[in-house]
Amino acid sequence: DQQVKQNSPSLSVQEGRISILNCDYTNSMFDYFLWYKKYPAEGPTFLISISSIKDKNEDGRFTVFLNKSAKHLSLHIVPSQPGDSAVYFCAAKKREGGGADGLTFGKGTHLIIQP
Amino acid sequence: NAGVTQTPKFQVLKTGQSMTLQCAQDMNHNSMYWYRQDPGMGLRLIYYSASEGTTDKGEVPNGYNVSRLNKREFSLRLESAAPSQTSVYFCASKAVAASYNEQFFGPGTRLTVL
Repeated sequence: DQQVKQNSPSLSVQEGRISILNCDYTNSMFDYFLWYKKYPAEGPTFLISISSIKDKNEDGRFTVFLNKSAKHLSLHIVPSQPGDSAVYFCAAKKREGGGADGLTFGKGTHLIIQP
Repeated sequence: NAGVTQTPKFQVLKTGQSMTLQCAQDMNHNSMYWYRQDPGMGLRLIYYSASEGTTDKGEVPNGYNVSRLNKREFSLRLESAAPSQTSVYFCASKAVAASYNEQFFGPGTRLTVL
C-alpha cells in the first residue's frame, strides 16, 4: 500500500503562473516531509522540507503547506519558470523508532512549464 | 566537493551474473542509503547504514547485500541478478544533524538484467 501518494502524474502550467503540486500521506509516524526535484538522468535534488509541527515553510519562490489533519501537503512555486520543468517527488521520514530510517517517496509529478 | 559519486553509470548483466555497485561520499556524512527507482514509481529503500559498521534492511532488500566499507563508501551487491532487478539505483547520504533532514543523492546507476 502506498503511504505517500501523488495523484497527478503530470501538470502543465504557463510560465509566470503558480504551480501547485499535491501530496497525500497515510502513515501517522511521518514527522518530516521533503520535496525533491529530478531532471532526467540525474539524481533527485533537495528542494524544501517541513516539520510536522509546522504548517508552512517558505524558501524564495517555493512554499510548502502542511495540513496535518487532512494528511495533505502541497508545494507552491511562484512564479513558475522554464527551469522548473522536472519531476517533483514528495517524500516523508518516519519519526525515530517508527521503522526503517530512510525516506518514503511518492511516484512523482512531472511539471511542465509552458512558455 | 564531488558530493555523492556512483560507479558505474550503466551496466548490462545476464541473469545469474553478479556485480557490485559502488558509492562514495565526501561530505563526512554518517548515514548512507541505497534506493531503486522503477519506471513510473518513486524511489524505494533497499538498505541503509546509520553509521560505519552498521547496516539495516529497508523496504525491498531481497536479492541484495550491502557493505559499509568505511565512513565514505557504501556498496550494493547483487549476487545472482534477475530481470526484476532491472532498475535505476541511487545512493544517498545524510548528515547526523541535517538541518532539513535532507539526503543528498548520487547521479544513479542504470542497470539492465537480460
